[in-house]
Amino acid sequence: SQTIHQWPATLVQPVGSPLSLECTVEGTSNPNLYWYRQAAGRGLQLLFYSVGIGQISSEVPQNLSASRPQDRQFILSSKKLLLSDSGFYLCAWSVLGNTGELFFGEGSRLTVL
Amino acid sequence: AQSVAQPEDQVNVAEGNPLTVKCTYSVSGNPYLFWYVQYPNRGLQFLLKYITGDNLVKGSYGFEAEFNKSQTSFHLKKPSALVSDSALYFCAVWMGGGADGLTFGKGTHLIIQP
Repeated sequence: SQTIHQWPATLVQPVGSPLSLECTVEGTSNPNLYWYRQAAGRGLQLLFYSVGIGQISSEVPQNLSASRPQDRQFILSSKKLLLSDSGFYLCAWSVLGNTGELFFGEGSRLTVL
Repeated sequence: AQSVAQPEDQVNVAEGNPLTVKCTYSVSGNPYLFWYVQYPNRGLQFLLKYITGDNLVKGSYGFEAEFNKSQTSFHLKKPSALVSDSALYFCAVWMGGGADGLTFGKGTHLIIQP
């Protein structure tokens, strides 16, 4: 069966520090991968998605970047965090050609102080 | 562009009563529609989806949703609420064919009172 892992689960970082959140998927090949951000426990905003290694699409211009160095690995990064980067970050995957449902990881809560 | 509206920030229901969480969508074409549930500090869990066919879709944990094309709605329902159903519920839409993910509503807090 497929599983998705995100880490770290919780992170507290000072303003201006770098960020790296990692997501890996097991049990499937060539997944579509996604990073969403959820602010204040409400709506989800799509940040990045990827259909393959090295292929990143950005939905919202911001202080963050994403990379996909391996087929089942998706990394969210920042060189210098802002206060507004605080939130709950969710990684998700889907199967290319399926009917659209996403499968989410457990999330990473980032607090920028 | 597609959009999803969940008009209620919060829905309060007594345990054992039927519940409805509302969702309307705006798309050009035939959408794929989804419901997800989120418990505190957890990821989203898939509940059910509508692609085509029968307008009443059954999903996990006794939930169902009714697709109404004329009203562009996809309301989530359950005949008898449980306290454990208390969570944040998201409606989402996808137009199919692409890899750009789902468009989510803002979410509705469902509170089931004992």
